[in-house]
Amino acid sequence: EVQLVQSGAEVKKPGESLKISCKGSGYSFSSYWIGWVRQMPGKGLEWMGIIYPGDSDTRDSPSFQGQVTISADKSISTVYLQWSSLKASDTAMYYCARLRTWGGLLTTFGGGPRDAFDIWGQGTMVTVSS
Amino acid sequence: DIQMTQSPSTLSASVGDRVTITCRASQSISSWLAWYQQKPGKAPKLLIYKASSLESGVPSRFSGSGSGTDFTLTISSLQPDDFATYHCQQYSSYSRFGQGTKVEIK
Repeated sequence: EVQLVQSGAEVKKPGESLKISCKGSGYSFSSYWIGWVRQMPGKGLEWMGIIYPGDSDTRDSPSFQGQVTISADKSISTVYLQWSSLKASDTAMYYCARLRTWGGLLTTFGGGPRDAFDIWGQGTMVTVSS
Repeated sequence: DIQMTQSPSTLSASVGDRVTITCRASQSISSWLAWYQQKPGKAPKLLIYKASSLESGVPSRFSGSGSGTDFTLTISSLQPDDFATYHCQQYSSYSRFGQGTKVEIK
């Protein structure tokens, strides 16, 4: 079964650092782009950025650039989303999701390849509160 | 920066109704548009990609149309399982989602 499994819920204080994970299985992990999507409480979905685990090519949304770091370790089929200093406004559900097309068939533009997300993780709730 | 505007924000409908949700892009995105369904506490589920292609396993009552700046998601006969929030997503330049449309029971 193709799936993405995310790390568990986190409760942090403002200023703390955090790294959450997304582990893929059931497919060739290195060959499919994975993205991160934020959903603040009661709000819509926001595209944060995307990474190709095969070579760690990363495309960040201009809205999130400098706020978070997306990375990957293909040896353990895992993608990460990291903050160096959390703010209360980072409180949200974070989803990882896989692009539906094998990377070798996609053309990459400035903002990454043009494709939809077909497989989603279960989400990681991050709560930042003093 | 391409903005996506969905309408309506909320839609009240009954089982069996034909439902149409609209998504408008601030500039042309060709057919680089997807539609997702999301239920409370769950991750989104892909329904439609490339504006009109039905994802495998998705019931045929869901359909998508449009190109350029104007797109629609249609549910031909609303079923009890379809009460949810629907999101459009452009992936022409970077990516951005619409604000979502909640389909609720009338």
